[in-house]
Amino acid sequence: GAGVSQSPRYKVAKRGQDVALRCDPISGHVSLFWYQQALGQGPEFLTYFQNEAQLDKSGLPSDRFFAERPEGSVSTLKIQRTQQEDSAVYLCASIRGLMNTEAFFGQGTRLTVV
Amino acid sequence: GDSVTQMEGPVTLSEEAFLTINCTYTATGYPSLFWYVQYPGEGLQLLLKATKADDKGSNKGFEATYRKETTSFHLEKGSVQVSDSAVYFCALSRPQGGSEKLVFGKGTKLTVNP
Repeated sequence: GAGVSQSPRYKVAKRGQDVALRCDPISGHVSLFWYQQALGQGPEFLTYFQNEAQLDKSGLPSDRFFAERPEGSVSTLKIQRTQQEDSAVYLCASIRGLMNTEAFFGQGTRLTVV
Repeated sequence: GDSVTQMEGPVTLSEEAFLTINCTYTATGYPSLFWYVQYPGEGLQLLLKATKADDKGSNKGFEATYRKETTSFHLEKGSVQVSDSAVYFCALSRPQGGSEKLVFGKGTKLTVNP
């Protein structure tokens, strides 16, 4: 596709509900990142994939957060038993190669937990 | 750990005014430095970057110089336009944990009035 696509754009979840957020990176991009952006803050790193391998998940805030990229293209970020503090914009970014020359970001998914 | 501190916003200027948004960083080694911009309703976009000391990144009339002695990467533009209204994020990256994840500042909202 032309850019990084994320879906849904908006998600409202009841506390305790599981959610799945999808990221379609630019075709052929090797590296994929997930970031979490709280209101009024900068994005914070969650996890990184190189093709299908999850090489860094040091930013995942708890074991309720899980990400996968099984075929090295589309990625899903899953949050189990959502809590109010999970409310944020979740951003996906992809990079063509292995070095961070330019990260292309999607528009994000705004998650609101009520 | 690595961190980025940028000027608190919001910043409001008149068209053709001079813009400076301050950014300082803390990191070990030699990070790459970036400015990303987020226009209303759009995803983050790379504005400019510098990968080593004394490099100057420039794009669309914006400039920033990598100053290792002051650990700074201030964004400047000589004459802003209404279309520059956006949120600006300073960021750094360096290889760690198998990824070159970005560490962002909190963002500075710029509004340019005609």
